[in-house]
Amino acid sequence: GNSVTQMEGPVTLSEEAFLTINCTYTATGYPSLFWYVQYPGEGLQLLLKATKADDKGSNKGFEATYRKETTSFHLEKGSVQVSDSAVYFCALMTTDSWGKFQFGAGTQVVVTP
Amino acid sequence: EAQVTQNPRYLITVTGKKLTVTCSQNMNHEYMSWYRQDPGLGLRQIYYSMNVEVTDKGDVPEGYKVSRKEKRNFPLILESPSPNQTSLYFCASSSPGRSQETQYFGPGTRLLVL
Repeated sequence: GNSVTQMEGPVTLSEEAFLTINCTYTATGYPSLFWYVQYPGEGLQLLLKATKADDKGSNKGFEATYRKETTSFHLEKGSVQVSDSAVYFCALMTTDSWGKFQFGAGTQVVVTP
Repeated sequence: EAQVTQNPRYLITVTGKKLTVTCSQNMNHEYMSWYRQDPGLGLRQIYYSMNVEVTDKGDVPEGYKVSRKEKRNFPLILESPSPNQTSLYFCASSSPGRSQETQYFGPGTRLLVL
């Protein structure tokens, strides 16, 4: 079946540091890939997505590139802020099971001033 | 304001007492879904619905029921709750067309089953 594996957290960084959160996947079909962010006490919000190989999703300074050859979709941000402290989830959905999503376990990111 | 609402936000109940968590969206979305969030496990999909009267199982449907009689509502029913259903529950909906894969999440319902 389909699955998503994320690096474990928490990840603790200083403000303005570089952030990388690794995400790899296994999928029987051809997946679309997503990063969602969950701020404390809130529901998830879509951060970015990519629907085909080599696509780069970007939003709010975050980027992730869909790498089919390595089955990865790593999230990066060049200079984090305290307001980026949240839990980040990688997710996928395949075209042969549209509507059925798999999420990773989530990675908590803590940014200190 | 476009939103997904869930009620109640917090619920404490006892084993075996039937409960319903409501979910409603005002965006005319065709797709709706329920998830549970547990520490270390991330979000796991319980059920989803592609449209009215069309529902399908996610990865963890056991112990749950859903119905989709109207486009805007997608209630989650626990006929006989057990302590292992203690969790944080999220409802989500998705717009039709090119943005079908972008889900909008509700604020969550925290359930404790004693």
